[in-house]
Amino acid sequence: DAGVTQSPTHLIKTRGQQVTLRCSPKSGHDTVSWYQQALGQGPQFIFQYYEEEERQRGNFPDRFSGHQFPNYSSELNVNALLLGDSALYLCASSLGWERSNEQFFGPGTRLTVL
Amino acid sequence: AQRVTQPEKLLSVFKGAPVELKCNYSYSGSPELFWYVQYSRQRLQLLLRHISRESIKGFTADLNKGETSFHLKKPFAQEEDSAMYYCALASGGYQKVTFGTGTKLQVIP
Repeated sequence: DAGVTQSPTHLIKTRGQQVTLRCSPKSGHDTVSWYQQALGQGPQFIFQYYEEEERQRGNFPDRFSGHQFPNYSSELNVNALLLGDSALYLCASSLGWERSNEQFFGPGTRLTVL
Repeated sequence: AQRVTQPEKLLSVFKGAPVELKCNYSYSGSPELFWYVQYSRQRLQLLLRHISRESIKGFTADLNKGETSFHLKKPFAQEEDSAMYYCALASGGYQKVTFGTGTKLQVIP
């Protein structure tokens, strides 16, 4: 089991563009969460998906949207990119949505917005 | 609003010395607290959670609701403990997790 996988590894975009990041959860996991980690900061919660629905959302604008597919994989979409969106985007998966469940993190996608 | 504070960006200790990584939180409800660790070139991974009351790699953490703290402790630091440590709080029915800014632990041989 490769654990949580994310693609691509790195991405460079320009302001105003749109980007899609992808995540495959650990085998057997059904819940996916996305985080944004700026340089020198801790991960910031974007949203969580369970049963193909967004269940929780952090303080991120509507430019950030997501999707979960029947196979539990997930996408994070960011529209109208801003320079401040440059960050490491982490995906985490767990078995079940309960808050006490352990989350397993992927290696992240490094997004650079020029 | 919930918040997690880790006051130290960097903590340097000698091998064999005790370690205490500080974490304070603010949350009006009943939180779930975690410590995550990231070793060099590795992924973020769970170290321990307060609900389990377990000791992992010699580390323990006690939830003090009166002081709203969840400090991570180890009696004798080892070189392999050098890593980035994040305190995190989960609230609500789902996994809305708030992380602190992290503390880099450097164990000096």
